[in-house]
Amino acid sequence: GIQVEQSPPDLILQEGANSTLRCNFSDSVNNLQWFHQNPWGQLINLFYIPSGTKQNGRLSATTVATERYSLLYISSSQTTDSGVYFCAVERENFGNEKLTFGTGTRLTIIP
Amino acid sequence: DTGVSQDPRHKITKRGQNVTFRCDPISEHNRLYWYRQTLGQGPEFLTYFQNEAQLEKSRLLSDRFSAERPKGSFSTLEIQRTEQGDSAMYLCASSFPAVDYGYTFGSGTRLTVV
Repeated sequence: GIQVEQSPPDLILQEGANSTLRCNFSDSVNNLQWFHQNPWGQLINLFYIPSGTKQNGRLSATTVATERYSLLYISSSQTTDSGVYFCAVERENFGNEKLTFGTGTRLTIIP
Repeated sequence: DTGVSQDPRHKITKRGQNVTFRCDPISEHNRLYWYRQTLGQGPEFLTYFQNEAQLEKSRLLSDRFSAERPKGSFSTLEIQRTEQGDSAMYLCASSFPAVDYGYTFGSGTRLTVV
């Protein structure tokens, strides 16, 4: 199956700092989503971004499909940004319709 | 619409018992997915439905697991003869690809098998 690697595995930052999270995937994809799992376990969809760039407030994401990676940028971090960030992909032209998740980046924002 | 609802939030059961979880997706969403998440890992795909048809099942879904979506609305996931290795968070998600490929997840059901 498709491999999804996220880096770094852990990130500890001071409130107000900026961060970049990376997702590498091993095959062509037609669906890529970023999620935030809060400390209570709720998974929140941040972006559907199989290619290109999107922005939503302090968050933005870029996917370079030809090079098989995606980046999630968080600016001016707040303590509520803490949690685990997952990248999930669906393999292109594979005939299935499911997302494969990476192992996540655990982000801790210190006040 | 209040999003994807899952019930119960927590379930503690003795090994060997059967358990059933329920998922109510967003009403207009035709796709429904079940995932399982263990501590420190990302969610793993179990199965998905398009309307009432179950279109794919993971190898993770042993014969003890069964899922249904009888009228294309809510879904149930049943685990028979539970084992300690079944302890995990069971997550349900829904989507409507004709409008938006993004998944909406429920809050999950945390199963503990003792």
